[in-house]
Amino acid sequence: LAKTTQPISMDSYEGQEVNITCSHNNIATNDYITWYQQFPSQGPRFIIQGYKTKVTNEVASLFIPADRKSSTLSLPRVSLSDTAVYYCLVGAPYGGATNKLIFGTGTLLAVQP
Amino acid sequence: NAGVTQTPKFQVLKTGQSMTLQCAQDMNHNSMYWYRQDPGMGLRLIYYSASEGTTDKGEVPNGYNVSRLNKREFSLRLESAAPSQTSVYFCASSTLPGHNYEQYFGPGTRLTVT
Repeated sequence: LAKTTQPISMDSYEGQEVNITCSHNNIATNDYITWYQQFPSQGPRFIIQGYKTKVTNEVASLFIPADRKSSTLSLPRVSLSDTAVYYCLVGAPYGGATNKLIFGTGTLLAVQP
Repeated sequence: NAGVTQTPKFQVLKTGQSMTLQCAQDMNHNSMYWYRQDPGMGLRLIYYSASEGTTDKGEVPNGYNVSRLNKREFSLRLESAAPSQTSVYFCASSTLPGHNYEQYFGPGTRLTVT
């Protein structure tokens, strides 16, 4: 399973765009990249998933370069309610990878007024 | 549509006691998972069930047992609780197993073992 590396924490201000980068140098051909968000005292919540290039939904964008060794979660115009821990996961479809679902420590994003 | 529900929300046990954490989902998902989260750490997979009738160990299975009672329910049992099992336990489900499929998480059970 590809190991991921993320910054432990990031600070931002309301209204700014925030980019959180995840490094996954050993990503395999079948691996997808998935990001989750977790608020205190809650379970994680799926944000976005992608395989290559760019994926956008109503809350975030995910940028994946051609070599796929990293990915960047982009949150446009953050608000105080975006303060949370963000996890990057990399893995393949079921076929042996499921037993290694590892969330890691994530990135604590603190948004200030 | 309640999603993933977990009971109880809080529990305090003494060392050596046993208990079962209950999890149920109403989304007709095939796969279910149990994670634990310790302070300042990410989630670690304890056990998972790819489909009804199957269970497999995750990263930290020691001290736990699971039962996939039916498609909806997946329980986690601590036979003899230890202080090291003090943690927040999350249950999750997905349509199919693996990273490709969005996991839906329950609200968690906060367990303290004294």
